[in-house]
Parts: sequence; C-alpha cells; structure tokens
Amino acid sequence: DTAVSQTPKYLVTQMGNDKSIKCEQNLGHDTMYWYKQDSKKFLKIMFSYNNKELIINETVPNRFSPKSPDKAHLNLHINSLELGDSAVYFCASSQPDGSSYNEQFFGPGTRLTVL
Amino acid sequence: AQSVTQPDIHITVSEGASLELRCNYSYGATPYLFWYVQSPGQGLQLLLKYFSGDTLVQGIKGFEAEFKRSQSSFNLRKPSVHWSDAAEYFCAVGAWGNKLVFGAGTILRVKS
Repeated sequence: DTAVSQTPKYLVTQMGNDKSIKCEQNLGHDTMYWYKQDSKKFLKIMFSYNNKELIINETVPNRFSPKSPDKAHLNLHINSLELGDSAVYFCASSQPDGSSYNEQFFGPGTRLTVL
Repeated sequence: AQSVTQPDIHITVSEGASLELRCNYSYGATPYLFWYVQSPGQGLQLLLKYFSGDTLVQGIKGFEAEFKRSQSSFNLRKPSVHWSDAAEYFCAVGAWGNKLVFGAGTILRVKS
C-alpha cells in the first residue's frame, strides 16, 4: 500500500482554469504538507496542516487554497492558473511525537503544466 | 532565517570513484539534517538523517554523512559510486513548524 499518494500524477491545463490536486496518507499521521518544486528544481514549502488546522502558510498567493476534509487528506485547489504555477507539487506527512522534529514522508509528486 | 547551501550544481564522477556532496546550513538552534535523492521523474527518497548523537550517520544505498557543527556542514559521501546513483540530491534542514528547508540540489552524473 502506498503511504502517501497523490492524484493525478500529471495535470495539463490552460491558463485561467481552476484545478485540484489530491493527497491522501494512510500512515495515521496528524500533519500534512504541500511543497512546490519549480522548474529549477527548487523545493519550497507552501502549507502545512495539523489535524485539519492550518499551521504554515508561506506567503502563497490566495489563488492557492488547501483543503483538509479529514486528517488523512490534504487537497490543493488552485484558481485562475498562471504559467508560473507550472511545477511539481509534493505532498508529505509526519506524526508529531513530542520531539523537536518529526520525519516527513513524501508522495510521488504531481507535475502540473499550465499552457 | 534558516537556509541550506549546496555549492555544487553539477558533479560528475566515474563509476567506482568516491563521492562527496557538500551541504552547508544556517540555523540558530540544533539542526535536524537530511539528505534526499530524486531520480528523474521520481519523488523524494530519504537517504539519511541526523537528529542527534553520533555525527557520522549511515544511510541507505551505502551513503553516509558527517555532521560538523563547527563548519555548519553535513556533507554526503559514498566510497564507490554506481551508475544507478545518478540523480539529484537535496540537503535539507528541519525548521520551525516541522517544515523542511531545502538546498537547491546537486545533480550527480556518473560516467562509465
């Protein structure tokens, strides 16, 4: 069973459209994340949620709206897609255990191409 | 603010040769350090991590890394590179909110 899964794996769409990327984890983790890897392969965190509550929002445009229907899912909805949104989006999860840092487990990524 | 620097964008080594990928970090507290590998078109795989204790950390696929606090470094090493090691390698530091701050990556090419 895949621990962190993302759908779709590839997404090609036109500028101005609205699209969603789904992420599910079956690890029982409380915390989930979205990272963006741009065309230069630079990886940067976008959001994190802990038990459906937003923890981190790294100055991401309002067009990006994460939605967590339950702690096993963190979906990413993007409105009015722009060319610069083309990237690979990675979902991750971790489980807080009282220590200062908890390892993150990554999904396979979703390659978004905006034409 | 926390940051990670990987000074080498590309590295080419011969198969069977040794490898060292450099990583320097900037973080005010005790760092939690990671190396991830990304093969073309693939996701991120954790190679190894340093949280505390022994400063020489062993990982998967024969990789190791050494944490040097005095140099703010966490360099990745492998004694003998295989062609299948060709990939992009990312160093990262765990920061506030449990987020990962990544370096820009180093592309490893292996020549036969």
